[in-house]
Amino acid sequence: DIQMTQSPSTLSASVGDRVTITCRASQSISSWVAWYQQKPGKAPKLLIYKASSLESGVPSRFSGSGSGTEFTLTISSLQPDDFATYYCQQYNSFSGYTFGQGTKLEIK
Amino acid sequence: QVQVVESGGGVVQPGGSLRLSCAASGFTFSDYGMHWVRQAPGKGLEWVSFIRYDGSYKSYGDSVKGRFTISRDDSKNTLSLHMNSLRAEDTALYYCAKDRDDIGFLDYWGQGTLVTVSS
Repeated sequence: DIQMTQSPSTLSASVGDRVTITCRASQSISSWVAWYQQKPGKAPKLLIYKASSLESGVPSRFSGSGSGTEFTLTISSLQPDDFATYYCQQYNSFSGYTFGQGTKLEIK
Repeated sequence: QVQVVESGGGVVQPGGSLRLSCAASGFTFSDYGMHWVRQAPGKGLEWVSFIRYDGSYKSYGDSVKGRFTISRDDSKNTLSLHMNSLRAEDTALYYCAKDRDDIGFLDYWGQGTLVTVSS
C-alpha cells in the first residue's frame, strides 16, 4: 500500500504569511495527488487535484506542485478563512487510496 | 446542486452489524464512482471503500477488508455500506463522497453519519 507522509503536523502562521505543506509518497505516484481543506465540524473541501490543478471556485492564493514522490501545497498570503486542517490524498490506483495524516494550520 | 446525504449511523455493540446509506442528487449518479471515507473522533481522514460508476470494481482499505461491503442502487441513486463484525476502532464519522469521473479524487462530500461501536 502507498503511504503518504505529511509534514508538518502543526503549523503556526500569521495573516499574510506564505506557507507550504509537504506530502511524501512511499512510491512514485506521478501527479495523482489531491489536497483538501477541512474546518471543524465540516466535511473536507477539495482544493487541488492532479497535483497542481486548482478546483473551480478556490482562491488563486492556493497552489500545488510536485510529481513522483514529493508534493507541496502553498498558500501565498494567508487569510483568516484559511486557518483549518489540510490533507493530501493519493489516487494512483483503484485498488486503494490514502490520505496524509493532516496539517493543522493555526494562528500565531 | 450536487448533494450527498448519509444516514444509518448509530450505536452498535462490538461484533454487530450496521448498514449506512447515502442518497445522491443533483447529478447523474450512475455516471460516477463513489467513496466512503471515515474520521475517528479527533483524528484524520481514512479512506474506507470505493465503487466504480458501473459497480464493476470495488476496493477496500486494509482495516475493513472482509468485513465491509460497498454497493450501489442506481435506480434509487443510493450508495450503501454494509458493515459487519464491528469493532471499537470502527467508531467514526462516515462520509459519503462523489468521485470526479472515476479518477480517484473526491469533489463532493456529505456531512457524515456517526457510527459508535460500544458495549
